[in-house]
Amino acid sequence: AQSVTQLGSHVSVSEGALVLLRCNYSSSVPPYLFWYVQYPNQGLQLLLKYTSAATLVKGINGFEAEFKKSETSFHLTKPSAHMSDAAEYFCAVSEGRGYQKVTFGTGTKLQVIP
Amino acid sequence: GAVVSQHPSRVICKSGTSVKIECRSLDFQATTMFWYRQFPKQSLMLMATSNEGSKATYEQGVEKDKFLINHASLTLSTLTVTSAHPEDSSFYICSASGTYEQETQYFGPGTRLLVL
Repeated sequence: AQSVTQLGSHVSVSEGALVLLRCNYSSSVPPYLFWYVQYPNQGLQLLLKYTSAATLVKGINGFEAEFKKSETSFHLTKPSAHMSDAAEYFCAVSEGRGYQKVTFGTGTKLQVIP
Repeated sequence: GAVVSQHPSRVICKSGTSVKIECRSLDFQATTMFWYRQFPKQSLMLMATSNEGSKATYEQGVEKDKFLINHASLTLSTLTVTSAHPEDSSFYICSASGTYEQETQYFGPGTRLLVL
């Protein structure tokens, strides 16, 4: 079985500061990992995904995440927060190629303080 | 690419009526579509998985007679909430994955359902 743990349901950062959203996963097979962003009353937008290629994955809007197998982590970072980054972020895991069902974390709400 | 639309975006209905929500993949063929429900300030709960031309697979605890899913084509899936009640009020989100990128789900914008 696979699972995802997102540490911190709420994270606040100042505008221009580093954004770090934590995600740890559990999977019995090499996983595929995803980060999605959700703005209020909207669906989820794919930020980036790890599919067993490069461990450092770059996504849209300046976000990136690093897959660390030894730590079973896939933390999301952005060097400088922008007001428009305020949203809910979900980490998700699937069991890899051909496996379509994903398991979502509980989400982290990012607040950006001007 | 990989755009998914949902219609309607918001719907208000009376208790006992049925509501149909459409999910369309606009620029790719969606072999699999997923229907989720999201309660306020919570994560997504998978309701069912549907493959084109076959019956949907429902998650445990989801009433298949209550939430009817049809996936008649590679670009359209529908969710019908039958005999809706106030407790069915929620945010319903669909997602779709295609043949060339099965592991990645692309999400629709969601439908807010309010049952009075």
